[in-house]
Amino acid sequence: DAKTTQPPSMDCAEGRAANLPCNHSTISGNEYVYWYRQIHSQGPQYIIHGLKNNETNEMASLIITEDRKSSTLILPHATLRDTAVYYCIVRGGGGSQGNLIFGKGTKLSVKP
Amino acid sequence: GAVVSQHPSWVICKSGTSVKIECRSLDFQATTMFWYRQFPKQSLMLMATSNEGSKATYEQGVEKDKFLINHASLTLSTLTVTSAHPEDSSFYICSARGGGAPYEQYFGPGTRLTVT
Repeated sequence: DAKTTQPPSMDCAEGRAANLPCNHSTISGNEYVYWYRQIHSQGPQYIIHGLKNNETNEMASLIITEDRKSSTLILPHATLRDTAVYYCIVRGGGGSQGNLIFGKGTKLSVKP
Repeated sequence: GAVVSQHPSWVICKSGTSVKIECRSLDFQATTMFWYRQFPKQSLMLMATSNEGSKATYEQGVEKDKFLINHASLTLSTLTVTSAHPEDSSFYICSARGGGAPYEQYFGPGTRLTVT
């Protein structure tokens, strides 16, 4: 079973920040939070991952709560091309420690 | 990020025939490769995991004799769907992970299989 809970869908206006929440209340100390997205009929695309500190890259920011039981993926200026299903996944941090198991994700619709 | 390719991108085959899908990591060595399947409007389901030179580990409910996986090199894995049936029609996606930190996992573009 997926270890995360995400809202099934969200809307966001083009140019505004998209904040996608994820609950992972059973996360263990050595598990990372990963975010991927899947645009229709394509393979998933890696976005970002983190352990406990907030992370930022050219695509997004990841905010992890201090108790690590939830996180938020932030797309700072959403565009129409960001419309996709976003998956929040928890997984062990190294080597063969766990596989990426996908839940149902959040379908983000960016509207003009 | 690293690039993973799949070939073919789509294939149509007749019921009872076999079809092979190739997955290549183009710019890194993939210690571990994964095969997923995705039915319409559903999420990705992990089918099997393979390490280079070893037999694949299949998830519960996936028939290993029907879905043959070969991971002969650090850049190539193949999935062969044997004696395909219409219910095998799906979107097959491979994924690859390198052997060193940060152990990020990258996905191919997927292969659409239609069995008629």
